[in-house]
Amino acid sequence: DAKTTQPTSMDCAEGRAANLPCNHSTISGNEYVYWYRQIHSQGPQYIIHGLKNNETNEMASLIITEDRKSSTLILPHATLRDTAVYYCIVGGTSGSRLTFGEGTQLTVNP
Amino acid sequence: DAGITQSPRHKVTETGTPVTLRCHQTENHRYMYWYRQDPGHGLRLIHYSYGVKDTDKGEVSDGYSVSRSKTEDFLLTLESATSSQTSVYFCAIGLAGGDTQYFGPGTRLTVL
Repeated sequence: DAKTTQPTSMDCAEGRAANLPCNHSTISGNEYVYWYRQIHSQGPQYIIHGLKNNETNEMASLIITEDRKSSTLILPHATLRDTAVYYCIVGGTSGSRLTFGEGTQLTVNP
Repeated sequence: DAGITQSPRHKVTETGTPVTLRCHQTENHRYMYWYRQDPGHGLRLIHYSYGVKDTDKGEVSDGYSVSRSKTEDFLLTLESATSSQTSVYFCAIGLAGGDTQYFGPGTRLTVL
């Protein structure tokens, strides 16, 4: 599986958009980009995933560059409850293991 | 939230004793996973299952065994617990053919 690189930490003001970057320059053609988050002491929570096109759901938007070497997760109106560690993961469609890195600690400030 | 429960939620045990953690799902998903999470290591896969009686090892499987006799239950057993197995254990379920996984609330295990 391709490796991902994320900033260790980010801050965001409440009510503003949070933009979390991820680099995955070695991604292969059939690999998806997945985003999960983990709020302190809870199990990780699936957010969104995509292959090539930008994706949006009720939680977030995912923007994938045309060369697929990087992506950005956007939380359009961050709240205090969005404070969490966000993981960008590159994986296939085989239902196999996810490899979690260290993720980005997002802190939303009042 | 996906219907995933883990039991027990907290357990303290002594070195050398057997421990079994249970993961139960009501979603009828084919794939089930056991991860452990430790400070400085993130989440690491222990074992996973891709169907009843079908299991495979993850990256940190030594000292652990699993069983899946029915779709809804996936058991993780520590045959002889050691202090290095003190951790938070998460179960996850996966949709067939995809890597979208849904996680349970976790079990905090302390081995003294």
